[in-house]
Amino acid sequence: SQQGEEDPQALSIQEGENATMNCSYKTSINNLQWYRQNSGRGLVHLILIRSNEREKHSGRLRVTLDTSKKSSSLLITASRAADTASYFCATDVSGGSYIPTFGRGTSLIVHP
Amino acid sequence: DAGVIQSPRHEVTEMGQEVTLRCKPISGHNSLFWYRQTMMRGLELLIYFNNNVPIDDSGMPEDRFSAKMPNASFSTLKIQPSEPRDSAVYFCASSLGGMGGQPQHFGDGTRLSIL
Repeated sequence: SQQGEEDPQALSIQEGENATMNCSYKTSINNLQWYRQNSGRGLVHLILIRSNEREKHSGRLRVTLDTSKKSSSLLITASRAADTASYFCATDVSGGSYIPTFGRGTSLIVHP
Repeated sequence: DAGVIQSPRHEVTEMGQEVTLRCKPISGHNSLFWYRQTMMRGLELLIYFNNNVPIDDSGMPEDRFSAKMPNASFSTLKIQPSEPRDSAVYFCASSLGGMGGQPQHFGDGTRLSIL
């Protein structure tokens, strides 16, 4: 089974709205990363948050991490049509091999 | 900067044929990953190399799959003989990795169709 699971599986919003995606995981982690995948392309790294951090920002992206709930959220503010993509979280497990394990992703559609 | 380069971008072949996928990682990266992506199973890690040495190949589905990394700038994933259920998008990724917490850089994948 997947270590990280994104929720919702699909999200459809209008341009200008905020988009929030969540990731839940099962075991303690060292780091959690978010990636974006545009149709027909490879995954692109967006942001990394370490287990001792609670929040990080990068441009219009805000990531939070709650290790007590084993969950993370990715917020995209003032979304644009160009944000249409699939978003994945990847976790590497404490005491593990440091190889990130990917969830199944959230498919985001931003309507112009 | 050149990213991870994969070839071919698309491959269509008949069942039973040998398929070879190629990957050139980012110069200076010491970790290389091969993934397979399908709608049914999502993104699956097939094999992970560190400093050209296979570290974890537990994701390789069966003996028909093999991967090599003869040097730091080249890796291949081979399927012989190929089967229709091998149809998927295969990604190669590289990172500075080894101790975790490093972003992976993905190529644009090879879309493989086995008829």
